[in-house]
Amino acid sequence: GNSVTQMEGPVTLSEEAFLTINCTYTATGYPSLFWYVQYPGEGLQLLLKATKADDKGSNKGFEATYRKETTSFHLEKGSVQVSDSAVYFCALRRSNYQLIWGAGTKLIIKP
Amino acid sequence: EPEVTQTPSHQVTQMGQEVILRCVPISNHLYFYWYRQILGQKVEFLVSFYNNEISEKSEIFDDQFSVERPDGSNFTLKIRSTKLEDSAMYFCASSEEGTGNSPLHFGNGTRLTVT
Repeated sequence: GNSVTQMEGPVTLSEEAFLTINCTYTATGYPSLFWYVQYPGEGLQLLLKATKADDKGSNKGFEATYRKETTSFHLEKGSVQVSDSAVYFCALRRSNYQLIWGAGTKLIIKP
Repeated sequence: EPEVTQTPSHQVTQMGQEVILRCVPISNHLYFYWYRQILGQKVEFLVSFYNNEISEKSEIFDDQFSVERPDGSNFTLKIRSTKLEDSAMYFCASSEEGTGNSPLHFGNGTRLTVT
């Protein structure tokens, strides 16, 4: 079946540190991959997406590359800020309607 | 930027009562969804809706749940007789297309507390 596995949190970093949040997936066919972010007290916001192998999604300094050979879509950012503190969700979507979600990774950035 | 809006932000109800959660999707979107997130658990798919009918639903979406698009702008989720285990954050979403690469845009959610 389809599933998404994310690294467990919380991940705690200092400001300006390099961030990686791992995401791997299991899916039949060729899913589209997404990262969503949930800031405290807010809803789920699309952060970036990639729709085919080797695509790189990017937004607000975050990047993730769709790696079919390793079935991964790791989220990276070169220099994190306190305002990046949030919960990050990796998700996949095939041609049907559902989004399949990872468990979410809480990111805490300390000044 | 257009956004999905949900009301109320927090709903408290007694077990056995009916609740209606309301959503206004983005105006040019054609596909609508409900997801929920029980505290500390994964986000779960409930139902998708297109062209005034349910496209897909999960095992969670049993006979106690129903969805409706009563007019051109609102999309509602009704729970007929709430149970304690229905307590969760309920997210409405919409998308332009139903294809895999069309991203979903979510509202801020309604926190439902069943006592």
